[in-house]
Amino acid sequence: EPEVTQTPSHQVTQMGQEVILRCVPISNHLYFYWYRQILGQKVEFLVSFYNNEISEKSEIFDDQFSVERPDGSNFTLKIRSTKLEDSAMYFCASTLEPYQETQYFGPGTRLLVL
Amino acid sequence: DAKTTQPPSMDCAEGRAANLPCNHSTISGNEYVYWYRQIHSQGPQYIIHGLKNNETNEMASLIITEDRKSSTLILPHATLRDTAVYYCIVRPQDQTGANNLFFGTGTRLTVIP
Repeated sequence: EPEVTQTPSHQVTQMGQEVILRCVPISNHLYFYWYRQILGQKVEFLVSFYNNEISEKSEIFDDQFSVERPDGSNFTLKIRSTKLEDSAMYFCASTLEPYQETQYFGPGTRLLVL
Repeated sequence: DAKTTQPPSMDCAEGRAANLPCNHSTISGNEYVYWYRQIHSQGPQYIIHGLKNNETNEMASLIITEDRKSSTLILPHATLRDTAVYYCIVRPQDQTGANNLFFGTGTRLTVIP
């Protein structure tokens, strides 16, 4: 069964450093999402992406965040200057269509900012 | 914000049916009810969804009340691997609403041997 993959599984970084989290969505999917989950808290929506542009974003997704689909398979989330409060699990998801199809999630990247 | 209310936790004996309730009294006519679960910080996993009819798949059954204000997810024979947080989410089926998922706090189901 096709699945969403994410790399790395864990990343430790120093505050102020840039990090790039990578996702390979399911191959025929067209809509891509990032969510995050701070330890012990809810899963929160960050951003959705379609046709090489952001379609929706939450208040969390400020100027420190950016997303890109650099090639036909990868979907990345960049955090320019990490803060302690960026420590969280980051989940990528993809779907074929935005509404009536379910979103499939990757296993997540655990980011720890020191 | 999440438009659903779920009990924070439930226990279920292994092999018995687990019935997880969800209230969504403000659901609108174009919104589906989705269920996802999250096993110990893994990525959320889709279980089932429905609009107004009851649904069944290989994982679970979804019973939606006639007024659509509440639903119940049924795991017919719970196993230890079903221990997880279960999320009930309402989501629009068209462009009248956002297409991202709003996760609440869910129900932590513990299956007991």
